Amino acid sequence: SQKIEQNSEALNIQEGKTATLTCNYTNYSPAYLQWYRQDPGRGPVFLLLIRENEKEKRKERLKVTFDTTLKQSLFHITASQPADSATYLCALDAYSGGGADGLTFGKGTHLIIQP
Amino acid sequence: DTGVSQDPRHKITKRGQNVTFRCDPISEHNRLYWYRQTLGQGPEFLTYFQNEAQLEKSRLLSDRFSAERPKGSFSTLEIQRTEQGDSAMYLCASSLIGGAQYFGPGTRLTVL
Repeated sequence: SQKIEQNSEALNIQEGKTATLTCNYTNYSPAYLQWYRQDPGRGPVFLLLIRENEKEKRKERLKVTFDTTLKQSLFHITASQPADSATYLCALDAYSGGGADGLTFGKGTHLIIQP
Repeated sequence: DTGVSQDPRHKITKRGQNVTFRCDPISEHNRLYWYRQTLGQGPEFLTYFQNEAQLEKSRLLSDRFSAERPKGSFSTLEIQRTEQGDSAMYLCASSLIGGAQYFGPGTRLTVL
């Protein structure tokens, strides 16, 4: 069966360091992958989308890599700040010929940036 | 604010009652999605529309759930004969075809 794995344990990082979050998937051939941030009691906030033919995408302090051979995406936050503390969700979509279907989400990784 | 909006933000109901939620997507987006999220889990896909057509339904969407998007703009999600297991956050998202999905703040449903 299709499976998406994110580190279920909280990730504690010292302020100013780079936080790296992992998303692994099996039995899946996604057309693209998205990363979201979610704060408690709120809806997910879109951060980055990377397509299957892209290796890397950057946006300000954020960087995402996508390795379809390893079936893995890495999400990096450089120069991390306490305000970056949140749950980060990885989501995959399988190309259906018409574009986006519903996304399949991992459970998320809770990131804590300590001052 | 031109983001996705949802109403109500919170709903408490008794088991067996019907509830209806509303979602207003980003105006230029032609796709609208409904998800459900329980504590400690990622959102789970329920259904989506392209314009007014409902194109896909998850097996999670039992026959007590119905969604509409009558004019290709706002959407409603109705749950009939609610059960305690329906308690969750119901999330709406919208997108352009092939684009990123933008989520609303969600409706928190509590079934007593």
